[in-house]
Amino acid sequence: GQQVMQIPQYQHVQEGEDFTTYCNSSTTLSNIQWYKQRPGGHPVFLIQLVKSGEVKKQKRLTFQFGEAKKNSSLHITATQTTDVGTYFCAGQAAGNKLTFGGGTRVLVKP
Amino acid sequence: EADIYQTPRYLVIGTGKKITLECSQTMGHDKMYWYQQDPGMELHLIHYSYGVNSTEKGDLSSESTVSRIRTEHFPLTLESARPSHTSQYLCASRGEWDRGRLIYTFGSGTRLTVV
Repeated sequence: GQQVMQIPQYQHVQEGEDFTTYCNSSTTLSNIQWYKQRPGGHPVFLIQLVKSGEVKKQKRLTFQFGEAKKNSSLHITATQTTDVGTYFCAGQAAGNKLTFGGGTRVLVKP
Repeated sequence: EADIYQTPRYLVIGTGKKITLECSQTMGHDKMYWYQQDPGMELHLIHYSYGVNSTEKGDLSSESTVSRIRTEHFPLTLESARPSHTSQYLCASRGEWDRGRLIYTFGSGTRLTVV
């Protein structure tokens, strides 16, 4: 079945630095979504990417969908303590099923 | 403003008790899901429903059961709780082109502790 993998599992980053987390699917996707879960909270939708090679920005967050529509990345610039949490990607292949990746847990060192 | 509601928010219960976790959504979504998640870990799909009277088991085997008698209501039941059931249970719904996007909306979760 479809598998979605995220790396790294843990990301320790110094406040002010940049980092990137990656999402890879075993199958071609129709779209990919990103969610953020704050510690103790629930996942909240961030963005959806649909087109091959698509790039979207939300303030300091840049999301990219690969040309082959099998991978995606989230790049955060000038990391802040408010960026702490787990970032999940979720890929949708043909049909209705959305498969979540294992998440990247981001810890920010002040 | 929450469109999907889960109760209770926290629950501590003794081994062997029967419990029902409630999930309701006001968005009219056909698709609803239950995920089990240990703190800070992966989301494991345990049940889903594509509409009234439709329920399916998810990727992770679970001793819980679900029902979908009404569109807005998707309760999860554990007939006999065990300490291994201690976890967070997240309910989600997904709408067809919700505000132009096909996204999941999650409830705040139920943190279950079985002692």
